Amino acid sequence: SQQGEEDPQALSIQEGENATMNCSYKTSINNLQWYRQNSGRGLVHLILIRSNEREKHSGRLRVTLDTSKKSSSLLITASRAADTASYFCATGPPYSSASKIIFGSGTRLSIRP
Amino acid sequence: NAGVTQTPKFQVLKTGQSMTLQCAQDMNHEYMSWYRQDPGMGLRLIHYSVGAGITDQGEVPNGYNVSRSTTEDFPLRLLSAAPSQTSVYFCASSLDRGLEKLFFGSGTQLSVL
Repeated sequence: SQQGEEDPQALSIQEGENATMNCSYKTSINNLQWYRQNSGRGLVHLILIRSNEREKHSGRLRVTLDTSKKSSSLLITASRAADTASYFCATGPPYSSASKIIFGSGTRLSIRP
Repeated sequence: NAGVTQTPKFQVLKTGQSMTLQCAQDMNHEYMSWYRQDPGMGLRLIHYSVGAGITDQGEVPNGYNVSRSTTEDFPLRLLSAAPSQTSVYFCASSLDRGLEKLFFGSGTQLSVL
């Protein structure tokens, strides 16, 4: 099974509200990354948080990482219509291991006008 | 810079045919990888490479071959196409053994009839 699993699978919110997505993983990681995919497009990197970091911000994005619970969350504040997309977490293994970056199944976010 | 370039964008094959999906990057990245994405699902890692001459299997390697003769190119070969290989294929690259963010190509939509 995949390393990262997102929750919820789908989320629909009103424009201007905050959106929170969660990611759980199973094994030790070096870093955790979040990506966005607009319909029919490739993935775009949003933010990377390393295993020794607990929180990271980038514009309207806030990512937290709890390695003891093997979980991460992505918060998008003040959502906009353009935020409608699928969001994926991806985990990178410890440096000594094979370099596989494994993706979760994603959260489909819809922003209602 | 072009980034990660994938060709072709669309391809239709008959069962049993073989073909090669091309991937090239101009960022001098050591790490390159191939993913497939089935409808409504996340990405699954097929094969990856941490440098020229070095490749390894991902989560779903069966039916696919790769080689890495140069830093720039990482082609994916379908040996004998099957309907189960109908998918969207993404190539990605990263600066450092997959420990940094991935840059994605725009994808190849493959249908096997």
